[in-house]
Amino acid sequence: GQQLNQSPQSMFIQEGEDVSMNCTSSSIFNTWLWYKQDPGEGPVLLIALYKAGELTSNGRLTAQFGITRKDSFLNISASIPSDVGIYFCAGRSNGGGSNYKLTFGKGTLLTVNP
Amino acid sequence: SQTIHQWPATLVQPVGSPLSLECTVEGTSNPNLYWYRQAAGRGLQLLFYSVGIGQISSEVPQNLSASRPQDRQFILSSKKLLLSDSGFYLCAWSARGLSEKLFFGSGTQLSVL
Repeated sequence: GQQLNQSPQSMFIQEGEDVSMNCTSSSIFNTWLWYKQDPGEGPVLLIALYKAGELTSNGRLTAQFGITRKDSFLNISASIPSDVGIYFCAGRSNGGGSNYKLTFGKGTLLTVNP
Repeated sequence: SQTIHQWPATLVQPVGSPLSLECTVEGTSNPNLYWYRQAAGRGLQLLFYSVGIGQISSEVPQNLSASRPQDRQFILSSKKLLLSDSGFYLCAWSARGLSEKLFFGSGTQLSVL
């Protein structure tokens, strides 16, 4: 099945620093998404990307849909303590039953030191 | 507004006992419904999804089953729990035509001892 390689697995940063994480795939996705999971909660959608090359922002977060459709990046600027959590990339390919299913990366655990 | 309710939040069960986790969605109709499991390694594994009442698709062979007796109700069950069934179980819904936008419940932490 499809797999997403998400890196880094974890990050320890100081408050105020910028953060970058990415996802790569061996196959093409038509939709890329980024979710955030706070401890003990379910993931929440941050950004959805629908077109190759698309760059979308949500506050301090910026995500890009790679030109090849096989990768995506998430950047967080000026991190704050509440950015702590696990960030997941997810991809969806079109066609058949895959229309209903997302493939998730294994997540990037972000720790922000005040 | 739409809300998703999942319970219980925490569950400790002995090996061999049955399981029933329930999830309900309010404020929408004909949602796609999903059960995910999150193991300690953090990855999200899709277990089941449903596009309508009585329609269940299983993603991986396992000791679990799912049912959708009503439009906005999704149940995860097992007749006999195994140690390997321990994990964090998440229910989610999406609107028809917007299946990439998942809305997750707050999860159930299941410990099988």
